[in-house]
Amino acid sequence: DSGVTQTPKHLITATGQRVTLRCSPRSGDLSVYWYQQSLDQGLQFLIQYYNGEERAKGNILERFSAQQFPDLHSELNLSSLELGDSALYFCASSPGGMPTEAFFGQGTRLTVV
Amino acid sequence: QKEVEQDPGPLSVPEGAIVSLNCTYSNSAFQYFMWYRQYSRKGPELLMYTYSSGNKEDGRFTAQVDKSSKYISLFIRDSQPSDSATYLCASFSGSARQLTFGSGTQLTVLP
Repeated sequence: DSGVTQTPKHLITATGQRVTLRCSPRSGDLSVYWYQQSLDQGLQFLIQYYNGEERAKGNILERFSAQQFPDLHSELNLSSLELGDSALYFCASSPGGMPTEAFFGQGTRLTVV
Repeated sequence: QKEVEQDPGPLSVPEGAIVSLNCTYSNSAFQYFMWYRQYSRKGPELLMYTYSSGNKEDGRFTAQVDKSSKYISLFIRDSQPSDSATYLCASFSGSARQLTFGSGTQLTVLP
């Protein structure tokens, strides 16, 4: 157990809908990272927050947004969902700003039907 | 062309074999090189990372980086069935502030 908690574990939703994925980082970790893993694209970095502020942005679609709250948990919002958004979404956390020290959660499997 | 290329395998070896997993990268700005292990339906787990060129050893695992040829390797000695997983290489630069992953190599160690 990495100490990073993601909910829900599984999510099935219809195209056009909006969902929210939640991540609780390890105790004391200030950075949260979101990644998407799909069969065709592999594991891709989406976005990083550090102590509530956006720190780095990767290949995140405009339909997706994230935030980190004062208690350091983070949410990833996915809207206007398409079939191609079906993937595993991972959250990771690290004490500082370096992803080299990050631990990954178990992921949320999103299926868009 | 992807910035980090990795042979997807699958790779199947007998128990006790030495396993060699490899990646190449194209971005000269990459400074950190990581290897992750991912079991089915689980999150990636960091095995080890190397800063710049050189070797790093941790138990049965050795990571090697050759910046001159932009080549990253992971060697697993005395492989065990419990090593069966997907192995992902990744690279990081401070300027880009993001991890770039290879596509992963699926390894099966047969008892």
